[in-house]
Amino acid sequence: GIQVEQSPPDLILQEGANSTLRCNFSDSVNNLQWFHQNPWGQLINLFYIPSGTKQNGRLSATTVATERYSLLYISSSQTTDSGVYFCAVEHSNAGNNRKLIWGLGTSLAVNP
Amino acid sequence: EAGVAQSPRYKIIEKRQSVAFWCNPISGHATLYWYQQILGQGPKLLIQFQNNGVVDDSQLPKDRFSAERLKGVDSTLKIQPAKLEDSAVYLCASSSPGHSYEQYFGPGTRLTVT
Repeated sequence: GIQVEQSPPDLILQEGANSTLRCNFSDSVNNLQWFHQNPWGQLINLFYIPSGTKQNGRLSATTVATERYSLLYISSSQTTDSGVYFCAVEHSNAGNNRKLIWGLGTSLAVNP
Repeated sequence: EAGVAQSPRYKIIEKRQSVAFWCNPISGHATLYWYQQILGQGPKLLIQFQNNGVVDDSQLPKDRFSAERLKGVDSTLKIQPAKLEDSAVYLCASSSPGHSYEQYFGPGTRLTVT
């Protein structure tokens, strides 16, 4: 099946720093989602990005589907950015059932 | 529009007891998912419904877990009897073709089995 790899697994930043998180996937996918799981466990949708680049405030994401990777950029990080960032790719099986395949996440800690 | 609702938010039970979780998806979302997330891991799909039919329950431990979505709207996930290893966060999500199948998640139910 499809493999989803995220890097780095852990990241510590000082407030105000920039960072790039990467997601590699092993096969063609329908779509890709980035999520932020906050310290209370809530999964928050960041981007739904099958290809191209999207921006939302200090966050932006780029997916290059032909090369099977996606990048999440965090600029001017804040302590509220702490948590785990998950990449999940959508794949259809033989029965055309769409399901998400998840990476293991990048755990981010932003220190004041 | 209202998001995915789940209850309860927290539950503590003893092993061998039973527990039930409730989920109400975003209005109009035909597809509903239940995930189990163990601390330090990504979410694991337990069961997927399309309206009131089961699309995928391949990873549902059917000897102790059951789920239903009788009217194709809200859903209940039950564990009976619970084991220590069932301690996890149970997440419900929903999606719709009208939203490009993007999955939206509820706040989750944190279950502790003692």
